[in-house]
Amino acid sequence: KQEVTQIPAALSVPEGENLVLNCSFTDSAIYNLQWFRQDPGKGLTSLLLIQSSQREQTSGRLNASLDKSSGRSTLYIAASQPGDSATYLCAVSSGTYKYIFGTGTRLKVLA
Amino acid sequence: SQTIHQWPATLVQPVGSPLSLECTVEGTSNPNLYWYRQAAGRGLQLLFYSVGIGQISSEVPQNLSASRPQDRQFILSSKKLLLSDSGFYLCAWSVGGQETQYFGPGTRLLVL
Repeated sequence: KQEVTQIPAALSVPEGENLVLNCSFTDSAIYNLQWFRQDPGKGLTSLLLIQSSQREQTSGRLNASLDKSSGRSTLYIAASQPGDSATYLCAVSSGTYKYIFGTGTRLKVLA
Repeated sequence: SQTIHQWPATLVQPVGSPLSLECTVEGTSNPNLYWYRQAAGRGLQLLFYSVGIGQISSEVPQNLSASRPQDRQFILSSKKLLLSDSGFYLCAWSVGGQETQYFGPGTRLLVL
């Protein structure tokens, strides 16, 4: 059974710092991995989707990497801003239509 | 462009009452549709998904049910709510089964 873990559960950093969020999964037989952002009381916004054959994806200040063999993904946020404050969720697709979500990392960027 | 709507945004219901949450998608045809629940301190849990009208797959046995009466409409229902049904319910859609999922704004349900 696939399990997804995100560490740390919460993170508080000063503005301008580069930071790394971690996601690990127990079953390396995945189709893809997706990173989402969730603002308080809101739905999820997709940030990056990495197919199982890819090693990384980039969008603006965000870079996500995937190492299937070790069951890990990282989301790198460069030059963090207060507007980046949110909960970041990773989700792993182990089969068609099924995404298993982690419990998220709650990020606060201090001005 | 595609948009996804959910209503109501917030709902407070007594234990034992019925439930109907609605989700509609605009700007796309034959989407895959999903219902998730996010309970406090827990990750998102997939409840149901649908690949077409009238086709529903259940992921978690419980007192909830889902229906898809139209191509872009997905309904989550219950005949009798339990306290444990409280949570944040999210609807999502995707083009394919392994593609990016796009989420609605969610419905916060509190069962008292």
